[in-house]
Amino acid sequence: GAGVSQSPSNKVTEKGKDVELRCDPISGHTALYWYRQRLGQGLEFLIYFQGNSAPDKSGLPSDRFSAERTGESVSTLTIQRTQQEDSAVYLCASSPPTGGYEQYFGPGTRLTVT
Amino acid sequence: GDSVTQMEGPVTLSEEAFLTINCTYTATGYPSLFWYVQYPGEGLQLLLKATKADDKGSNKGFEATYRKETTSFHLEKGSVQVSDSAVYFCALSTGSARQLTFGSGTQLTVLP
Repeated sequence: GAGVSQSPSNKVTEKGKDVELRCDPISGHTALYWYRQRLGQGLEFLIYFQGNSAPDKSGLPSDRFSAERTGESVSTLTIQRTQQEDSAVYLCASSPPTGGYEQYFGPGTRLTVT
Repeated sequence: GDSVTQMEGPVTLSEEAFLTINCTYTATGYPSLFWYVQYPGEGLQLLLKATKADDKGSNKGFEATYRKETTSFHLEKGSVQVSDSAVYFCALSTGSARQLTFGSGTQLTVLP
Protein backbone atom coordinates (compact mmCIF):
# COMPACT_ATOMS: atom_id res chain seq x y z
CA GLY A 1 0.00 0.00 0.00
CA ALA A 2 0.94 3.64 -0.17
CA GLY A 3 3.47 4.87 2.33
CA VAL A 4 3.78 8.23 4.02
CA SER A 5 4.14 11.01 1.49
CA GLN A 6 5.47 14.52 1.97
CA SER A 7 5.54 17.62 -0.17
CA PRO A 8 7.41 19.45 -1.38
CA SER A 9 10.51 17.27 -1.49
CA ASN A 10 12.72 20.35 -1.56
CA LYS A 11 12.04 23.93 -0.56
CA VAL A 12 14.37 26.91 -0.80
CA THR A 13 13.15 30.08 0.85
CA GLU A 14 14.49 33.44 1.85
CA LYS A 15 15.06 34.32 5.48
CA GLY A 16 11.95 35.87 6.96
CA LYS A 17 9.45 34.12 4.68
CA ASP A 18 6.83 31.64 5.89
CA VAL A 19 6.81 28.05 4.66
CA GLU A 20 4.25 25.27 4.81
CA LEU A 21 5.16 21.59 4.65
CA ARG A 22 2.64 18.84 4.02
CA CYS A 23 2.38 15.23 5.20
CA ASP A 24 -0.03 12.52 4.07
CA PRO A 25 0.09 9.61 6.52
CA ILE A 26 -0.67 5.98 5.80
CA SER A 27 -4.41 5.41 5.71
CA GLY A 28 -5.71 4.11 9.04
CA HIS A 29 -2.75 5.37 11.04
CA THR A 30 -4.06 7.38 13.95
CA ALA A 31 -0.76 8.77 15.19
CA LEU A 32 1.32 11.31 13.27
CA TYR A 33 4.69 12.77 14.18
CA TRP A 34 6.94 15.53 12.87
CA TYR A 35 10.70 15.39 13.34
CA ARG A 36 13.58 17.59 12.26
CA GLN A 37 16.95 16.26 11.10
CA ARG A 38 19.78 18.74 10.93
CA LEU A 39 22.80 17.89 8.82
CA GLY A 40 24.86 15.12 10.42
CA GLN A 41 22.60 14.83 13.43
CA GLY A 42 19.89 12.55 14.72
CA LEU A 43 16.21 13.33 14.54
CA GLU A 44 14.58 15.78 16.93
CA PHE A 45 10.93 15.29 17.84
CA LEU A 46 8.74 18.30 17.09
CA ILE A 47 5.05 17.45 17.53
CA TYR A 48 2.68 14.48 17.89
CA PHE A 49 -0.97 14.05 16.93
CA GLN A 50 -3.13 11.17 18.13
CA GLY A 51 -6.64 10.99 16.74
CA ASN A 52 -8.75 13.89 17.94
CA SER A 53 -6.73 14.49 21.12
CA ALA A 54 -4.86 17.70 21.74
CA PRO A 55 -1.43 17.51 20.10
CA ASP A 56 1.77 17.13 22.08
CA LYS A 57 3.72 20.23 21.08
CA SER A 58 6.54 19.77 23.58
CA GLY A 59 9.25 19.49 20.90
CA LEU A 60 8.49 22.65 18.96
CA PRO A 61 11.62 24.84 19.20
CA SER A 62 9.87 28.23 19.12
CA ASP A 63 6.49 29.88 18.61
CA ARG A 64 7.38 30.35 14.95
CA PHE A 65 6.61 26.66 14.48
CA SER A 66 3.06 25.33 14.38
CA ALA A 67 1.27 22.32 12.98
CA GLU A 68 -2.26 21.24 12.24
CA ARG A 69 -3.91 17.97 11.40
CA THR A 70 -7.35 17.41 9.97
CA GLY A 71 -8.87 14.40 11.74
CA GLU A 72 -6.69 11.40 11.02
CA SER A 73 -5.44 12.60 7.65
CA VAL A 74 -3.23 15.33 6.26
CA SER A 75 -0.97 17.42 8.46
CA THR A 76 0.78 20.69 7.72
CA LEU A 77 3.82 22.07 9.52
CA THR A 78 4.18 25.85 9.25
CA ILE A 79 7.33 27.79 9.99
CA GLN A 80 6.87 31.54 10.18
CA ARG A 81 9.62 34.11 9.62
CA THR A 82 12.14 31.42 8.72
CA GLN A 83 15.71 31.66 10.00
CA GLN A 84 18.85 30.05 8.62
CA GLU A 85 18.97 27.66 11.58
CA ASP A 86 15.64 26.25 10.41
CA SER A 87 17.46 24.64 7.45
CA ALA A 88 17.03 20.90 7.89
CA VAL A 89 15.15 17.88 6.60
CA TYR A 90 11.66 17.74 8.08
CA LEU A 91 10.36 14.21 8.43
CA CYS A 92 6.83 13.03 9.03
CA ALA A 93 5.95 9.61 10.43
CA SER A 94 2.72 7.79 11.13
CA SER A 95 1.88 4.88 13.37
CA PRO A 96 -1.03 2.43 13.52
CA PRO A 97 -3.38 2.31 16.53
CA THR A 98 -2.09 -1.07 17.68
CA GLY A 99 1.27 -2.75 17.72
CA GLY A 100 4.74 -2.13 19.05
CA TYR A 101 5.13 1.64 18.59
CA GLU A 102 6.45 1.28 15.04
CA GLN A 103 6.63 4.49 13.08
CA TYR A 104 6.71 4.66 9.30
CA PHE A 105 8.58 7.61 7.86
CA GLY A 106 8.04 9.70 4.78
CA PRO A 107 10.88 10.77 2.47
CA GLY A 108 11.16 14.18 4.10
CA THR A 109 11.18 17.77 2.94
CA ARG A 110 14.61 19.38 2.64
CA LEU A 111 14.26 23.02 3.67
CA THR A 112 17.00 25.49 2.85
CA VAL A 113 16.75 29.04 4.20
CA THR A 114 19.02 31.49 2.38
CA GLY B 1 14.95 12.99 30.07
CA ASP B 2 15.32 10.07 27.72
CA SER B 3 18.49 9.82 25.67
CA VAL B 4 20.30 7.46 23.30
CA THR B 5 24.05 7.28 22.83
CA GLN B 6 25.44 5.38 19.91
CA MET B 7 28.86 4.70 18.55
CA GLU B 8 30.22 7.56 16.54
CA GLY B 9 31.17 6.92 12.98
CA PRO B 10 32.05 6.74 10.34
CA VAL B 11 32.67 3.01 10.33
CA THR B 12 34.39 1.45 7.32
CA LEU B 13 34.52 -2.32 6.90
CA SER B 14 35.44 -4.78 4.21
CA GLU B 15 32.77 -7.02 2.77
CA GLU B 16 32.06 -10.11 4.94
CA ALA B 17 33.47 -8.46 8.07
CA PHE B 18 31.64 -8.61 11.40
CA LEU B 19 29.73 -5.49 12.40
CA THR B 20 28.90 -4.12 15.83
CA ILE B 21 27.38 -0.70 16.40
CA ASN B 22 27.04 0.08 20.09
CA CYS B 23 23.94 1.74 21.50
CA THR B 24 23.12 2.55 25.12
CA TYR B 25 20.13 4.39 26.47
CA THR B 26 18.72 6.26 29.43
CA ALA B 27 14.97 6.18 29.91
CA THR B 28 12.25 6.40 32.50
CA GLY B 29 9.98 3.39 32.54
CA TYR B 30 10.36 0.52 30.11
CA PRO B 31 11.15 1.70 26.60
CA SER B 32 10.74 -0.08 23.30
CA LEU B 33 13.99 -0.09 21.35
CA PHE B 34 14.55 0.26 17.62
CA TRP B 35 17.19 0.36 14.93
CA TYR B 36 16.35 2.46 11.89
CA VAL B 37 18.39 2.58 8.69
CA GLN B 38 18.72 5.33 6.12
CA TYR B 39 20.13 4.17 2.78
CA PRO B 40 21.67 6.79 0.49
CA GLY B 41 18.97 8.92 -1.09
CA GLU B 42 16.16 7.08 0.71
CA GLY B 43 13.91 7.66 3.68
CA LEU B 44 14.28 6.24 7.17
CA GLN B 45 13.24 2.60 7.46
CA LEU B 46 12.65 0.42 10.49
CA LEU B 47 15.30 -2.31 10.57
CA LEU B 48 14.37 -4.16 13.75
CA LYS B 49 12.80 -3.67 17.16
CA ALA B 50 12.50 -5.16 20.64
CA THR B 51 9.77 -4.25 23.09
CA LYS B 52 10.90 -5.90 26.34
CA ALA B 53 14.00 -7.04 28.15
CA ASP B 54 15.87 -10.00 26.63
CA ASP B 55 13.91 -9.75 23.37
CA LYS B 56 16.03 -10.15 20.26
CA GLY B 57 15.07 -8.21 17.17
CA SER B 58 16.33 -9.49 13.83
CA ASN B 59 15.99 -8.63 10.15
CA LYS B 60 18.14 -8.95 7.01
CA GLY B 61 20.88 -10.72 8.99
CA PHE B 62 21.05 -7.94 11.59
CA GLU B 63 20.36 -8.65 15.26
CA ALA B 64 20.09 -6.68 18.48
CA THR B 65 19.22 -7.86 21.98
CA TYR B 66 17.45 -5.68 24.55
CA ARG B 67 19.71 -5.76 27.62
CA LYS B 68 18.03 -4.09 30.56
CA GLU B 69 20.91 -4.72 32.95
CA THR B 70 23.37 -2.83 30.76
CA THR B 71 20.75 -0.52 29.15
CA SER B 72 22.09 -1.50 25.75
CA PHE B 73 20.79 -2.51 22.33
CA HIS B 74 23.89 -3.15 20.22
CA LEU B 75 23.43 -3.89 16.52
CA GLU B 76 25.35 -6.82 15.04
CA LYS B 77 25.73 -8.55 11.72
CA GLY B 78 27.98 -11.48 11.06
CA SER B 79 28.93 -10.70 7.48
CA VAL B 80 28.27 -7.28 6.01
CA GLN B 81 27.67 -6.58 2.34
CA VAL B 82 28.31 -3.50 0.22
CA SER B 83 24.56 -2.99 0.10
CA ASP B 84 24.53 -2.50 3.89
CA SER B 85 26.26 0.86 3.48
CA ALA B 86 23.92 3.34 5.14
CA VAL B 87 23.38 5.44 8.26
CA TYR B 88 22.07 3.48 11.24
CA PHE B 89 20.06 5.11 14.03
CA CYS B 90 19.30 3.63 17.42
CA ALA B 91 16.07 4.90 18.98
CA LEU B 92 13.75 4.38 21.91
CA SER B 93 10.10 5.05 22.58
CA THR B 94 8.41 5.52 25.94
CA GLY B 95 5.35 7.06 27.46
CA SER B 96 1.92 7.80 26.15
CA ALA B 97 3.12 10.01 23.29
CA ARG B 98 5.42 7.29 22.00
CA GLN B 99 7.65 9.73 20.19
CA LEU B 100 11.05 8.35 19.24
CA THR B 101 14.26 9.58 20.81
CA PHE B 102 17.12 9.02 18.41
CA GLY B 103 20.85 8.64 18.68
CA SER B 104 23.00 10.76 16.40
CA GLY B 105 23.46 8.02 13.79
CA THR B 106 26.40 5.93 12.64
CA GLN B 107 27.55 6.05 9.03
CA LEU B 108 28.61 2.60 7.79
CA THR B 109 30.57 2.12 4.58
CA VAL B 110 31.28 -1.40 3.34
CA LEU B 111 34.03 -1.76 0.76
CA PRO B 112 34.14 -4.60 -1.79
